[in-house]
Amino acid sequence: NAGVTQTPKFQVLKTGQSMTLQCAQDMNHEYMSWYRQDPGMGLRLIHYSVGAGITDQGEVPNGYNVSRSTTEDFPLRLLSAAPSQTSVYFCASRPGTGMFYSNQPQHFGDGTRLSIL
Amino acid sequence: DAKTTQPPSMDCAEGRAANLPCNHSTISGNEYVYWYRQIHSQGPQYIIHGLKNNETNEMASLIITEDRKSSTLILPHATLRDTAVYYCIQSRNPAAQKLVFGQGTRLTINP
Repeated sequence: NAGVTQTPKFQVLKTGQSMTLQCAQDMNHEYMSWYRQDPGMGLRLIHYSVGAGITDQGEVPNGYNVSRSTTEDFPLRLLSAAPSQTSVYFCASRPGTGMFYSNQPQHFGDGTRLSIL
Repeated sequence: DAKTTQPPSMDCAEGRAANLPCNHSTISGNEYVYWYRQIHSQGPQYIIHGLKNNETNEMASLIITEDRKSSTLILPHATLRDTAVYYCIQSRNPAAQKLVFGQGTRLTINP
């Protein structure tokens, strides 16, 4: 059972380049989300999805796009990378949403370390 | 945002119980308290969660005060591998489960 898989693990980009961070889960979870973590800080929510075809913004969505065409995959796109987007990005999933699932924890991937020069 | 308050750092001797406090004075009746930890630069790892009763699992115990305004995570026999940043989170929106992470407590287990 792979859980939540993120690729790549490391990436260096130049300012203005575009890139897609991949996230896949094999647990048939409805809910998926993306967080970023800057040095010495906690995680901040970028975007989340409650199911295929449905996405919404989190705390810090600017500069990022997402889509959810399948239950398994939730890619995060940087259209024009900026140095302020240098961070560690974590993808997470949980079985579902709503009060029935409110006591279910989120499962996190191991992160993508992204540097923008 | 619903934020919790934790001490920035704590130390504990190996083999002793580590008690990590958390204040969540704004918690509402249907919000849970979750604990996660992050070892070095890995993804956060779920530890335990609770609503109002004390909880125990194979990793830890969670003690929640009667008024639910604070809680304590207890690692009964801390090992060096428990050195990590521990996050106490109150679920801001239980339906959507948007976790709001603070800066956590950096727990160092000393040999």
